[in-house]
Amino acid sequence: ETGVTQTPRHLVMGMTNKKSLKCEQHLGHNAMYWYKQSAKKPLELMFVYNFKEQTENNSVPSRFSPECPNSSHLFLHLHTLQPEDSALYLCASSQDPRGRQPQHFGDGTRLSIL
Amino acid sequence: DAKTTQPNSMESNEEEPVHLPCNHSTISGTDYIHWYRQLPSQGPEYVIHGLTSNVNNRMASLAIAEDRKSSTLILHRATLRDAAVYYCILSDYETSGSRLTFGEGTQLTVNP
Repeated sequence: ETGVTQTPRHLVMGMTNKKSLKCEQHLGHNAMYWYKQSAKKPLELMFVYNFKEQTENNSVPSRFSPECPNSSHLFLHLHTLQPEDSALYLCASSQDPRGRQPQHFGDGTRLSIL
Repeated sequence: DAKTTQPNSMESNEEEPVHLPCNHSTISGTDYIHWYRQLPSQGPEYVIHGLTSNVNNRMASLAIAEDRKSSTLILHRATLRDAAVYYCILSDYETSGSRLTFGEGTQLTVNP
């Protein structure tokens, strides 16, 4: 039990589909994050939310649209993705967004774009 | 972001101690040193972090050099479950926000 749950664990979609990834944390944390991990590349931070407000967007294409309705839930809405978007998408949360407390990760959603 | 350098891979035997090194010669005074590990098919897992003093927890120990330009993660008795990629990361909100900048890490193999 990691405290951070991601669904679905696996997702296969076509380039024209619209789907959403979900992340839920039961740790009472205030900050939530989306990361992308492509094959043979380091994790890349995509978005940061603090108290439901987006505080960082690291030049992510608009075909990825995050949503944070409350401090416990984070979504990543996907539309018209490209084959190079196939990757492991990881959600994380932390109590303190200022880098002084650890981040807790979910096990990710493995996304494959056909 | 201050950069860290780790060996690409290391090997250990089960039940022996493992010392995973990390160099961070450009570390700033407010950078925290974090260690995470990632087991196959899982998300990264927090191991330990520190600022200046050595740190111990139930998973590992973190030894930080006096000049803070290097650190060592110590697993006191390696088990097969410790086989993972270990990441050494510097984090300072003032300069890099909330991001953890993951590098390539060290792939640790534990032999039975």
